[in-house]
Amino acid sequence: QKEVEQNSGPLSVPEGAIASLNCTYSDRGSQSFFWYRQYSGKSPELIMFIYSNGDKEDGRFTAQLNKASQYVSLLIRDSQPSDSATYLCAVRPGGSYIPTFGRGTSLIVHP
Amino acid sequence: DAGVIQSPRHEVTEMGQEVTLRCKPISGHDYLFWYRQTMMRGLELLIYFNNNVPIDDSGMPEDRFSAKMPNASFSTLKIQPSEPRDSAVYFCASSASGGETQYFGPGTRLLVL
Repeated sequence: QKEVEQNSGPLSVPEGAIASLNCTYSDRGSQSFFWYRQYSGKSPELIMFIYSNGDKEDGRFTAQLNKASQYVSLLIRDSQPSDSATYLCAVRPGGSYIPTFGRGTSLIVHP
Repeated sequence: DAGVIQSPRHEVTEMGQEVTLRCKPISGHDYLFWYRQTMMRGLELLIYFNNNVPIDDSGMPEDRFSAKMPNASFSTLKIQPSEPRDSAVYFCASSASGGETQYFGPGTRLLVL
């Protein structure tokens, strides 16, 4: 069973702070890593993906991947109340087209 | 460009009734996925199709669940008979071959009384 683990939260941060969301996975052969954002009552939407070790930046978002330690994280700089949502980590194992989703971390950004 | 379309958006039914959920993927996408999301279990993959052919249905919870994709623009997920524990949000998603981004529909919120 390929596992993707996330702390369910909620993670509460003040507006303007850095929010750090973490995800660990069990399959060492995993190739692709995704972060989806899901607002309450809405569907998941992809915000970032990363394939290689290191950091990938996109605006206020940075995805970090460490395959040796089998974790992937998402940093949100200058957090805004509009970032309040559940963030789902998804991991695609090697040899498979289908990602496994974590259960998500709830983020609350308070003014 | 229209996204993934699902219907109905909300469904309330009584235990034992048949429920049919519908999905229209994004035009040109050849992968279609059905997910179920609950607070207890998170987002679970039920089944996925490639070029209208079911590839993996190992996530389908039991024989009461069935899914079809008669053509590239339409899929159904049927529950017969429905039970209260089937209450969840059911998402359909599609993606293009070679692309790893899944585009989710708005979901169907199912409540079985």
